[in-house]
Amino acid sequence: NAGVTQTPKFRVLKTGQSMTLLCAQDMNHEYMYWYRQDPGMGLRLIHYSVGEGTTAKGEVPDGYNVSRLKKQNFLLGLESAAPSQTSVYFCASSYGGVSNQPQHFGDGTRLSIL
Amino acid sequence: AQRVTQPEKLLSVFKGAPVELKCNYSYSGSPELFWYVQYSRQRLQLLLRHISRESIKGFTADLNKGETSFHLKKPFAQEEDSAMYYCALSSPPRGAGSYQLTFGKGTKLSVIP
Repeated sequence: NAGVTQTPKFRVLKTGQSMTLLCAQDMNHEYMYWYRQDPGMGLRLIHYSVGEGTTAKGEVPDGYNVSRLKKQNFLLGLESAAPSQTSVYFCASSYGGVSNQPQHFGDGTRLSIL
Repeated sequence: AQRVTQPEKLLSVFKGAPVELKCNYSYSGSPELFWYVQYSRQRLQLLLRHISRESIKGFTADLNKGETSFHLKKPFAQEEDSAMYYCALSSPPRGAGSYQLTFGKGTKLSVIP
């Protein structure tokens, strides 16, 4: 099992460009999450999904959109990239959204906005 | 609102010395707490959760509700313990959402040979 796979691993964008980060999981998990990790800030939740066709905002949703058209995939989109979105992005999934279920993380996508 | 505080950005200890990574939380309900670890060039992974009362790789963590703490401890540090450690608190959803993890800012543990 690959677990959680993120594509791409690295990307450099110019301000104003758009792109989509793909997250795929093969564990049949219902819940999926997108985080950003910034130095000195820890991980902050951007958006999450509790099932196919559903999405919800996290702590820092502005500037991002998400879609969950298939259960195994969770896409994160940047419509007009800004330098403040330079970060490492992590996708995670969990079997259930209950309190003690661990989240399984991907390797991350390092995104630089020039 | 819930909050997780890890007061140390960096903690350096010698190999064989005891380790304590501090985590304090602020939460009005009954907390569910986790420790996640990120080794160099690896993905973030669950180390342990308080509900399991387990010891993983020699690490333990005890929930102290009176002090609102969930410190991570290991009696004898090893070089392979060098990593970034995150404390996280699970909080219930708003409406029909999902339990969410609130992460601390992380502590980088460096074990000196």
